[in-house]
Amino acid sequence: SQQGEEDPQALSIQEGENATMNCSYKTSINNLQWYRQNSGRGLVHLILIRSNEREKHSGRLRVTLDTSKKSSSLLITASRAADTASYFCATGPIQGAQKLVFGQGTRLTINP
Amino acid sequence: GAGVSQSPSNKVTEKGKDVELRCDPISGHTALYWYRQRLGQGLEFLIYFQGNSAPDKSGLPSDRFSAERTGESVSTLTIQRTQQEDSAVYLCACFRRGFLGSEAFFGQGTRLTVV
Repeated sequence: SQQGEEDPQALSIQEGENATMNCSYKTSINNLQWYRQNSGRGLVHLILIRSNEREKHSGRLRVTLDTSKKSSSLLITASRAADTASYFCATGPIQGAQKLVFGQGTRLTINP
Repeated sequence: GAGVSQSPSNKVTEKGKDVELRCDPISGHTALYWYRQRLGQGLEFLIYFQGNSAPDKSGLPSDRFSAERTGESVSTLTIQRTQQEDSAVYLCACFRRGFLGSEAFFGQGTRLTVV
C-alpha cells in the first residue's frame, strides 16, 4: 500500500479562498515533500520539510509536519485558477528501500 | 540538458509488441527513478538506479519489465509483450545525489497506450 495518503481525494473551492490538503504516512521518515502535477504529466517539486522541522513557508504555500501523528498538511492561501492541479505528498523513509513513496494525490479545482 | 527529457511523449502499441521508453536525466544527477501512473492514480515505484547499478527493482510488475542505465546518463525501460494493463504514463525522475534530502526532477512522461 502507499506510504502517503492524501485527504481529501478531491477539493473544489472558489478563487481567493484557502485550500488545505492533508497527508498521512506510516513509517518513520527522513523528509516529506509536496509535488504538483498538471494535466497528468510531469510533477513539479513544491516544498520539502525535514523530519526535525514543524512548519515551512514558500510564497503562498505553508506546510506543516507532525511526526507524532505521522501527518502533514499543505495550505495554499489566496488560491488562483492557475492552482488547479493534482497535489501529491511523498515521503523519504529512514530505513529500507531508498525510494520516494507517493500518495494517491488530491485533485484541487479552483473555480473562478 | 536543462531538464529531464523523456521519449517518446506518446506511444500507441499493439498488444504483444515490445516497447522501449527512454529517459535522459539532468547531467550529474546520479540517482534515477522510474514510476508508473495509471489514470487518476498515484505514482507507483518501479525501479531506481544509483549510477548504472539498480539496487532496488522491487517495483517491476513482472519479468516483462526491465530497465538499464548507461553510466550516469540515459536509462531505458523496456516492456516486452505488452498487455492492455500496461497502459499508463511512465515517469522518470532524477536526483542530484542520493534522494534523501533532495528534490526529484521529473520528466514529462511517456503516455503508453496498448490497444
